[in-house]
Amino acid sequence: DAGVTQSPTHLIKTRGQQVTLRCSPKSGHDTVSWYQQALGQGPQFIFQYYEEEERQRGNFPDRFSGHQFPNYSSELNVNALLLGDSALYLCASSFGQPYGYTFGSGTRLTVV
Amino acid sequence: KNQVEQSPQSLIILEGKNCTLQCNYTVSPFSNLRWYKQDTGRGPVSLTIMTFSENTKSNGRYTATLDADTKQSSLHITASQLSDSASYICVVRGRTGNQFYFGTGTSLTVIP
Repeated sequence: DAGVTQSPTHLIKTRGQQVTLRCSPKSGHDTVSWYQQALGQGPQFIFQYYEEEERQRGNFPDRFSGHQFPNYSSELNVNALLLGDSALYLCASSFGQPYGYTFGSGTRLTVV
Repeated sequence: KNQVEQSPQSLIILEGKNCTLQCNYTVSPFSNLRWYKQDTGRGPVSLTIMTFSENTKSNGRYTATLDADTKQSSLHITASQLSDSASYICVVRGRTGNQFYFGTGTSLTVIP
């Protein structure tokens, strides 16, 4: 039973570029949440997708956008990258059960 | 404001020793509290999950306690091993919506 899969694992981008990160949820899960984790900090909630719609959003600018596909997989897009966007981006999936919250291994984004 | 605070920020212990990590939260209403272990550059992995009616939960050498009245939780690690070196994150789920609140974590280093 595959867990949450994220791709790519590492990525280096130049300031001003755009990036797309991908997440495949755990089998049976239908909700995907994205988090940004700066070095030495706890994860910060970006947004959550359910039924292909953004249901909740954290305190992130519109440069951060996402999408959920009919197969429940999700993408996180970040436009006009800033140096401060360098972080580990985590995807977590759930099925509404309070216990069913599983993290992926993350994508390490470095903006130079 | 819903917050989760962890202490200490970092901890260094000798292999074989025990340690206790603390988590205080103000999230209300509260659904459950989770402790995660996060290796550097990896996604968090769940250790224990407790609802407000549970006082203690064990997972091998990890034992979590919860006092829902004082809104405090602790994670006790027994007979530490070098592989326990990681960040330990306390995450509280609110009862409304599907929102999770993260602590900033405790960085544990186990030395020989």
